[in-house]
Amino acid sequence: EDQVTQSPEALRLQEGESSSLNCSYTVSGLRGLFWYRQDPGKGPEFLFTLYSAGEEKEKERLKATLTKKESFLHITAPKPEDSATYLCAVTFSSGSARQLTFGSGTQLTVLP
Amino acid sequence: EAGVAQSPRYKIIEKRQSVAFWCNPISGHATLYWYQQILGQGPKLLIQFQNNGVVDDSQLPKDRFSAERLKGVDSTLKIQPAKLEDSAVYLCASRWTDTQYFGPGTRLTVL
Repeated sequence: EDQVTQSPEALRLQEGESSSLNCSYTVSGLRGLFWYRQDPGKGPEFLFTLYSAGEEKEKERLKATLTKKESFLHITAPKPEDSATYLCAVTFSSGSARQLTFGSGTQLTVLP
Repeated sequence: EAGVAQSPRYKIIEKRQSVAFWCNPISGHATLYWYQQILGQGPKLLIQFQNNGVVDDSQLPKDRFSAERLKGVDSTLKIQPAKLEDSAVYLCASRWTDTQYFGPGTRLTVL
């Protein structure tokens, strides 16, 4: 069965302390891997899409990378406003439904 | 550009009552999704529409859940009768190319 696993479940960082979040997947025929940010009481906000191993995308303090089995979301010198739940999701190349299968997320807290 | 709109934002009902949620996708987005997100979990797909037709409703509990998308724009999701385990956030998303854009969700509490 296709699965998406995120680790750690929760992460507390001091402001400025860089770290990485992991998303591993067991998908036969990956079409795309997506990162979303979700703040409390809000819907997921799109961050990045990655399509092939070796691809990297950057946005402010965030950088997403992709290998054949996992993706990392690197957070450089985080600020308290980066506190949120980060969700990883995948779509499959088979079929045309382009449905997202989500992991359970990593809850990031950045302390001032 | 306006995002995905959902209403109501919050709803509290007793078990066995019925409830309906409304979604207005981003203009021009033909594909619309409804998700259920239980606290501490990622969103789980309930149903997918392409224009006004259902693409996939295999994960929709059809004995109590129903959804429609008349005229290929707005959509409604209904639960009748509600159970305690239906307490969750119901998210609507619309898709452009590969990217899904989510609304703010409706938080449902079933007492």
